[in-house]
Amino acid sequence: QVTLRESGPALVKPTQTLTLTCTFSGFSLSTSGMCVSWIRQPPGKALEWLALIDWDDDKYYSTSLKTRLTISKDTSKNQVVLTMTNMDPVDTATYYCARGCHEGVDYWGQGTLVTVSS
Amino acid sequence: DVVMTQSPLSLPVTLGQPASISCRSSQSLVYSDGNTYLNWFQQRPGQSPRRLIYKVSNRDSGVPDRFSGSGSGTDFTLKISRVEAEDVGVYYCMQGTHWPPGLTFGGGTKVEIK
Repeated sequence: QVTLRESGPALVKPTQTLTLTCTFSGFSLSTSGMCVSWIRQPPGKALEWLALIDWDDDKYYSTSLKTRLTISKDTSKNQVVLTMTNMDPVDTATYYCARGCHEGVDYWGQGTLVTVSS
Repeated sequence: DVVMTQSPLSLPVTLGQPASISCRSSQSLVYSDGNTYLNWFQQRPGQSPRRLIYKVSNRDSGVPDRFSGSGSGTDFTLKISRVEAEDVGVYYCMQGTHWPPGLTFGGGTKVEIK
């Protein structure tokens, strides 16, 4: 079955760089048509898409955050990594990874809460 | 970028009664391949989102048939025929048609029991 799990620091300081890892199973990112996205949700607020990487290593980023984001994949480890630079308290959120391309996102991880505070 | 607007923000419903959530996009969601990439998600309290509907009206596996999606162009609706206690949560629509730049979510509709 398809599973995804996010991992990374629970707390980062302002201006630091956040690195999150999504480890998945049940599918391969080397399979044509497969993609993984990162999506975040500030406490009590709506979902916000951040970035997507596809089977062909094409990368797409949120227009408003693209200067701060980098997404990459390690197909052999079944992992997708997201880095976000210059973290700010407004970036405090639960960060999810999810499977799916623009046609639709079907499976989600449990999410990881990242708090930005000094 | 395309904007997704949901209404209402909050929806108190009596158990066993129907519920309807609206999602409007600022641009048509018909893709160049003829499909309309509009999804609906349910997020129960403390849980990750779960997809209910894809391409406007297709239910995901395991989704009860009391959930249905409809609409076209820029106007879409998620309906729950008879609300049950387990349906409490926040519902989001999401478009994937205007790609790139990216996926866009609506602001969410909170369903609660009266």
